[in-house]
Amino acid sequence: DAGITQSPRHKVTETGTPVTLRCHQTENHRYMYWYRQDPGHGLRLIHYSYGVKDTDKGEVSDGYSVSRSKTEDFLLTLESATSSQTSVYFCAIILSGVYNEQFFGPGTRLTVL
Amino acid sequence: GQQLNQSPQSMFIQEGEDVSMNCTSSSIFNTWLWYKQDPGEGPVLLIALYKAGELTSNGRLTAQFGITRKDSFLNISASIPSDVGIYFCAGSQGGSEKLVFGKGTKLTVNP
Repeated sequence: DAGITQSPRHKVTETGTPVTLRCHQTENHRYMYWYRQDPGHGLRLIHYSYGVKDTDKGEVSDGYSVSRSKTEDFLLTLESATSSQTSVYFCAIILSGVYNEQFFGPGTRLTVL
Repeated sequence: GQQLNQSPQSMFIQEGEDVSMNCTSSSIFNTWLWYKQDPGEGPVLLIALYKAGELTSNGRLTAQFGITRKDSFLNISASIPSDVGIYFCAGSQGGSEKLVFGKGTKLTVNP
């Protein structure tokens, strides 16, 4: 257990509304990641963070923004949700001192109607 | 972006059989990881590989880092029903802190 929690675990929203997903870790790990998982596509990186206020884009970042104002929280925001953003979203971290081994949270299932 | 080709896409086997799956790329990776995902949960790290030719075991699971650095293999011996799930390979290149994932192999084990 890498001490990662995600909230909410499930959300249903309507097209055009803003949505924020939260990833929380308890042990001050530097690297945090947001992925989406869709059938036939596996896991795709949306954004990642390598420190407070230090973030970078992944391969599917359009339509998403992130913020990391403190070490323990990494927020993913859909400014105006679209049906194509219906997906399962996973947060991951790298444990400090362990090279590249990412550990995943339990996921958030988002449905955009 | 970089892609990992994972095969087979799905496997249907009988309990007790051995399983092999692999992951290939057109370019070199310096880290290979294997994950398992159960329905409704996040992926769980099974094995991490860091050196070409490395062979690492975790119980009935054995993974190898291909000598060309462009592939990796996962074997499961004497499968049991709880092996059911989706297995993902992942890799990183150079000094990157990012992983690229394969699309997964869905394993079904018939009792």
